Amino acid sequence: ETGVTQTPRHLVMGMTNKKSLKCEQHLGHNAMYWYKQSAKKPLELMFVYSLEERVENNSVPSRFSPECPNSSHLFLHLHTLQPEDSALYLCASSQGQNNPYGYTFGSGTRLTVV
Amino acid sequence: SQKIEQNSEALNIQEGKTATLTCNYTNYSPAYLQWYRQDPGRGPVFLLLIRENEKEKRKERLKVTFDTTLKQSLFHITASQPADSATYLCALGGSSNTGKLIFGQGTTLQVKP
Repeated sequence: ETGVTQTPRHLVMGMTNKKSLKCEQHLGHNAMYWYKQSAKKPLELMFVYSLEERVENNSVPSRFSPECPNSSHLFLHLHTLQPEDSALYLCASSQGQNNPYGYTFGSGTRLTVV
Repeated sequence: SQKIEQNSEALNIQEGKTATLTCNYTNYSPAYLQWYRQDPGRGPVFLLLIRENEKEKRKERLKVTFDTTLKQSLFHITASQPADSATYLCALGGSSNTGKLIFGQGTTLQVKP
């Protein structure tokens, strides 16, 4: 375990469903991130939270809605997704937003939209 | 726009040889560059960081170089082992705005026994 836990590991959902991805870290980090990883494409930054405030929304469609209730937890709420949203969704944390000492990633949620 | 390219999608080498992976970037002035390892079905794991004013960094069998003139980083694994087989990602960060990390698409290394 890396210290960043993501649940569920796998999720299959229909296009009309609503589901949530959860990320939890107890590393004392104060910045958290959502990335999307599609096959043969670089990791795409979706959202950045620093001290529980959203500081970046990287032109992500509104069908993805993040929530950061405290510095240890991050959620990604999903609704009316499209098949092209199928991907590995990775959560990461770091100490400070501009931290050169590396991000700690979770193992990801493999999402399939049918 | 900012662009990061890693030299090839896949690299196959024989056990014991040195693997060299390349990361090139354009339209970017990073304060630091990081390398990550990613195994199938897992998240990336941080390996090394090198700052813009550093030429070379070493950690055990790993060596990273950073040439800000060429806008290139080289990542070397010496005495490679089959357990080194994985996808390796470079990431740039520390620019003036948010300091967010921008990742390359990765190079998949296969070390054959």
